[in-house]
Amino acid sequence: DQQVKQNSPSLSVQEGRISILNCDYTNSMFDYFLWYKKYPAEGPTFLISISSIKDKNEDGRFTVFLNKSAKHLSLHIVPSQPGDSAVYFCAASPLTGNQFYFGTGTSLTVIP
Amino acid sequence: DVKVTQSSRYLVKRTGEKVFLECVQDMDHENMFWYRQDPGLGLRLIYFSYDVKMKEKGDIPEGYSVSREKKERFSLILESASTNQTSMYLCASSSDLRGTTNEKLFFGSGTQLSVL
Repeated sequence: DQQVKQNSPSLSVQEGRISILNCDYTNSMFDYFLWYKKYPAEGPTFLISISSIKDKNEDGRFTVFLNKSAKHLSLHIVPSQPGDSAVYFCAASPLTGNQFYFGTGTSLTVIP
Repeated sequence: DVKVTQSSRYLVKRTGEKVFLECVQDMDHENMFWYRQDPGLGLRLIYFSYDVKMKEKGDIPEGYSVSREKKERFSLILESASTNQTSMYLCASSSDLRGTTNEKLFFGSGTQLSVL
């Protein structure tokens, strides 16, 4: 059973506009959330994270929002650039244990 | 910079062969993981290890085994490769920093395995 879900397999956005990638989770024990970016034939690279004590974390063009009551998080990329075209995975980790649970990924295409 | 190195980028094997995928990390991380990535299925955890000689099953351990004889090295073994094990295999490591916001997975570049 998928505990972390990314319901949009793909997303296309014009360069300069905002990209919003969504992620839902089912396990209320998750307290730490991460976003990874993956280019083809490469390993995922860490992008940004958020702890459950926060509802927003920002790093340059990337902002992650967490809505604990809805068990939903989103990644905003503003402004989007062609180099942002990649597959984005959200991941969640519970308070106890070191295991990370990944979503199925959203393929973002930024159109020049 | 943390480096997680996987021994092969591409591998082609025959059905029934025993396959070894090697992973080495240079940051003295306690935790190491093996995932496979398949289209539409995301990253699925095969096995992980919290310490030397210690292993735990992930979500899809069937057909796989692992070995962790040294802290920096974590090997994934396909005892008898099958075509449904054709996939991208990703190794990752993390430090044991529960309770901080610094904990994250560092991934290798991946091994694309084709089983014919």
